[in-house]
Amino acid sequence: AQRVTQPEKLLSVFKGAPVELKCNYSYSGSPELFWYVQYSRQRLQLLLRHISRESIKGFTADLNKGETSFHLKKPFAQEEDSAMYYCALSPLMDTGRRALTFGSGTRLQVQP
Amino acid sequence: NAGVTQTPKFQVLKTGQSMTLQCAQDMNHEYMSWYRQDPGMGLRLIHYSVGAGITDQGEVPNGYNVSRSTTEDFPLRLLSAAPSQTSVYFCASSPPGDTQYFGPGTRLTVL
Repeated sequence: AQRVTQPEKLLSVFKGAPVELKCNYSYSGSPELFWYVQYSRQRLQLLLRHISRESIKGFTADLNKGETSFHLKKPFAQEEDSAMYYCALSPLMDTGRRALTFGSGTRLQVQP
Repeated sequence: NAGVTQTPKFQVLKTGQSMTLQCAQDMNHEYMSWYRQDPGMGLRLIHYSVGAGITDQGEVPNGYNVSRSTTEDFPLRLLSAAPSQTSVYFCASSPPGDTQYFGPGTRLTVL
């Protein structure tokens, strides 16, 4: 069975400070990792996925298979980044089922 | 496209009542799923469907039924509501090999 752990419930930083949201996973096979974001009163939306290796809204995340981590980083936080962030995992070959296992989420607060 | 829609947005039930949460998508996605979101627990998969006529259980299926008679609709039924089912429910859909698109959620309270 797979598991996703986000150790921080709340992360509070000042505007312009670097941000790192931690995500660790356990899975015996090859995983696909995602970060989803939920802004206040909005639906959950995909921020980025490790396969795409993109940078979205200044956020990046690198899959570290040795440490089984997929931490989300941004060098300079903005107030509009304040939201709930979820790390999620799906088996890489599970293209039909696409079931996601989510972490418990980290609330990011960016203070002015 | 409206994307993934859910109704109602809010619902209050008494213990033992039944109801159906509606989910529809207009993107012709084969895969649809239901999650519940609880504080400190993230989202947990309840049921999912890989196409019309095919459904399967997720991580927390007890107390919920689903059916998939069309590609567009994937209703979630609570046969006898319990306070433990108080939660926010999200429906999602995706095409094969792609990420999931989520609905706006239904906030359910069971008294």
